[in-house]
Amino acid sequence: GIQVEQSPPDLILQEGANSTLRCNFSDSVNNLQWFHQNPWGQLINLFYIPSGTKQNGRLSATTVATERYSLLYISSSQTTDSGVYFCAPVGRGGSNYKLTFGKGTLLTVNP
Amino acid sequence: GAVVSQHPSRVICKSGTSVKIECRSLDFQATTMFWYRQFPKKSLMLMATSNEGSKATYEQGVEKDKFLINHASLTLSTLTVTSAHPEDSSFYICSAVPGLVSYNEQFFGPGTRLTVL
Repeated sequence: GIQVEQSPPDLILQEGANSTLRCNFSDSVNNLQWFHQNPWGQLINLFYIPSGTKQNGRLSATTVATERYSLLYISSSQTTDSGVYFCAPVGRGGSNYKLTFGKGTLLTVNP
Repeated sequence: GAVVSQHPSRVICKSGTSVKIECRSLDFQATTMFWYRQFPKKSLMLMATSNEGSKATYEQGVEKDKFLINHASLTLSTLTVTSAHPEDSSFYICSAVPGLVSYNEQFFGPGTRLTVL
C-alpha cells in the first residue's frame, strides 16, 4: 500500500508565526485530505486536494502529485491552531480507495 | 453540511460484555462508511469498510467476529465490539463518504472512547 511520511513530527510556535507542514507519499493518488484533530479527538476537514493549490483563510495547501508531496501552510498562527495535523491520501488502482493516514504533526502554538 | 454523528461519545463497560457504537450521516446518504481505531498519541488505523447492503471488508489483522459491522441503511452503520476485553479500550472513529464514488471526500464523526474494565 501507499506509504505516507509527515514532517516535522512536532512543531512549537509562538502566536503569530507562520509554518509549513509537509506530507510525502509513495504512489499516485486519487485523493488527498488534510485534517486537524482537536484536543477532543474530532477530525476537522481542512482540505480535499489531490492536486493544485487551495486557500481557506489563514490556511492554504498545495499538492504536487507528480512529485508526490503536499504542503500545508498556516499563517499568523493562533493558540486554537494547536493539535495534530494529519495528511491522508487515497492511492490509485484496484479497490484502493482507503485513506492512509500519516503519523501526524503535533503543533503547539504558545501565547 | 456533511455532518457525521457517533453515539455514544464515551462508554465504560465490564470485560466480557458487548458494546454497540452507532455512526450516522445526518445530512447526506453514504453508500460507504469506514471504521477506524486510534490509540493515544498514535495515528488512525483503518479497521473495516462498511458498504450499505453488503458485508463489511475488514483490514488484515482485524477480527471480524469480534468487531461486527452492520450498514443497515444509507445513513447508519454500527460497530459492535463483542466480548470486550481491556485491550479493546481505544478511541473508535467512523467516517462517511457522500455519493457513490468511494474516493470522494470523507467526513468524520466525533469518535467514541471505549474503556473496558
